[in-house]
Amino acid sequence: IAGITQAPTSQILAAGRRMTLRCTQDMRHNAMYWYRQDLGLGLRLIHYSNTAGTTGKGEVPDGYSVSRANTDDFPLTLASAVPSQTSVYFCASSEVSGRADEQFFGPGTRLTVL
Amino acid sequence: GQNIDQPTEMTATEGAIVQINCTYQTSGFNGLFWYQQHAGEAPTFLSYNVLDGLEEKGRFSSFLSRSKGYSYLLLKELQMKDSASYLCAPMDSNYQLIWGAGTKLIIKP
Repeated sequence: IAGITQAPTSQILAAGRRMTLRCTQDMRHNAMYWYRQDLGLGLRLIHYSNTAGTTGKGEVPDGYSVSRANTDDFPLTLASAVPSQTSVYFCASSEVSGRADEQFFGPGTRLTVL
Repeated sequence: GQNIDQPTEMTATEGAIVQINCTYQTSGFNGLFWYQQHAGEAPTFLSYNVLDGLEEKGRFSSFLSRSKGYSYLLLKELQMKDSASYLCAPMDSNYQLIWGAGTKLIIKP
């Protein structure tokens, strides 16, 4: 693989179900991010990780959790999905945090919660 | 508060020039990024400005005025493949990107 991959590509989920969105990068980037993108709004940061073993809350963290056990993987979990979490989710990475580095994006996961 | 303002939609003709404006207010400033996003795809990096002035990269140029909180993206010799959304994203004092909603650019033959 090259770059960032996300899985699944799309998912329809019943409200109340638990769901984990997967994200893997092979660029050895230290920083990783999860965004959601909704029509008419800019990308909004959910959670981020500056380096393996650390995570932080973004602008819209409620209802989501993340972990960063190693450099490559940064899964996003919805503990109990609600319809307002219907969105397109993008994972991104950059070489280093705390610096004006370009962010590289995965292809996205389109999630529908019914 | 932090705010980004860019037009929702613009239309231009193939072969022409178009300028997409962005005004911003952020808590601190560490430069401004422009990204391109085709429908159904991920954003991809176009440019980064941290100093005032114009940065040229092929058919695309980006301008920044920090004192005015203003940037623009200039696209020359428009091609049909330039039909996309263009996202303005200044970086705040915590090195977090603050994303505008994007400008959807429609290119007509």
